[in-house]
Amino acid sequence: EAGVTQFPSHSVIEKGQTVTLRCDPISGHDNLYWYRRVMGKEIKFLLHFVKESKQDESGMPNNRFLAERTGGTYSTLKVQPAELEDSGVYFCASSQGSQPQHFGDGTRLSIL
Amino acid sequence: GQNIDQPTEMTATEGAIVQINCTYQTSGFNGLFWYQQHAGEAPTFLSYNVLDGLEEKGRFSSFLSRSKGYSYLLLKELQMKDSASYLCAVRDEGRFTGGFKTIFGAGTRLFVKA
Repeated sequence: EAGVTQFPSHSVIEKGQTVTLRCDPISGHDNLYWYRRVMGKEIKFLLHFVKESKQDESGMPNNRFLAERTGGTYSTLKVQPAELEDSGVYFCASSQGSQPQHFGDGTRLSIL
Repeated sequence: GQNIDQPTEMTATEGAIVQINCTYQTSGFNGLFWYQQHAGEAPTFLSYNVLDGLEEKGRFSSFLSRSKGYSYLLLKELQMKDSASYLCAVRDEGRFTGGFKTIFGAGTRLFVKA
């Protein structure tokens, strides 16, 4: 089966610009998670979708971040406007029920 | 609050056995995961414990003690390709959201030498 796919794999933008990251979960997985790993730090939870509903968004850093999962399939994470501290690797993961999460390869975001 | 501690780095010799410890504090424990992550790649699932005891899967075993907030990952017959970061992650059931949040430790970088 196809794994979790993320696009783009890399993104370099200037401070103040907007970037949208996309995640396609494994087909049939209701749970979709976004995480972020800032250089040298641990992977941090951002939010959790169950189908199209936000189950937990307590990890979202601020209102510059907006995640959507219309139709309960793929998800997007928009950062607007991007700041320097938003640089890092953004991982998406999906799971079915209580099964372990499968991770995508991540999007490496660099803000200049 | 939620907290996960694991050693920053470990070094072991090819063919040996290594144990990576993880201690955690969480309010709504709902399972512990170990992931392997090679540099620049996605974390890959290794093991899952939700009940106390040992889970064995080939060269990898994971142990959990919920009363002690403690887990370890045991790697046997180490190979050079096992050099990677090993992430301990705890699934926490949100008291108010009812959802499941996975909290990751900072990871243990394992270096396997010949």
